[in-house]
Amino acid sequence: SYELTQPPSVSVSPGQTASITCSGDKLGNKYACWYQQKPGQSPVLVIYEDRKRPSGIPERFSGSNSGNTATLTISGTQAIDEAVYYCQAWDSSTAVFGGGTKLTVL
Amino acid sequence: QVQLQESGPGLVKPSETLSLTCTVSGGSISSYLWNWIRQPPGKGLEWIGHIYYSGSTNYNPSLKSRVTISVDTSKNQFSLKLSSVTAADTAVYYCARGYCSGDSCGAGVWFDPWGQGTLVTVSS
Repeated sequence: SYELTQPPSVSVSPGQTASITCSGDKLGNKYACWYQQKPGQSPVLVIYEDRKRPSGIPERFSGSNSGNTATLTISGTQAIDEAVYYCQAWDSSTAVFGGGTKLTVL
Repeated sequence: QVQLQESGPGLVKPSETLSLTCTVSGGSISSYLWNWIRQPPGKGLEWIGHIYYSGSTNYNPSLKSRVTISVDTSKNQFSLKLSSVTAADTAVYYCARGYCSGDSCGAGVWFDPWGQGTLVTVSS
């Protein structure tokens, strides 16, 4: 079965750029999307189709996908961005999630 | 603005069937894909399956033998049944609307919005 791999944790200073990666076999040939989940809350879609932002998601969130790696980039990271981020792709008619990355803003 | 709300028992006994319903408000269920996704306490997300308003379904192969998802368009609801549950099925269960990339969803599916989630504990 298809697998997506994320680093367990990423740390960033306020105002800096955070990059969270998601790796999978030929992931660049599929669409990747990203969800933000804060403690006790439901996941929220922040990027879909590799790089598109849903309405209401700040411009500091951006995405890319090439080769075997999709990347979520948060520019000018704010304290409110501290959360767990999950990548997700679609393979063989099945949705697959990465294990999640805890973003710490310190 | 579409909202989803899960409902159902919070406690299920081992070997029994877990049953949940998702009520869709603020929009019609007669379009899009309607999904169930779960998250064991402290762990990551697992897609369970989805249903199209016409009734066609698609399930995660790892759960397929135990899962049934159905839809009631007259009530704007869709439901999940998971049979023969064990403690490993203890999780927060979310319902979510699914969007397709492309005409046949082959390129991808993403989920937005999600319900608030409901914790189901499997215990005697």
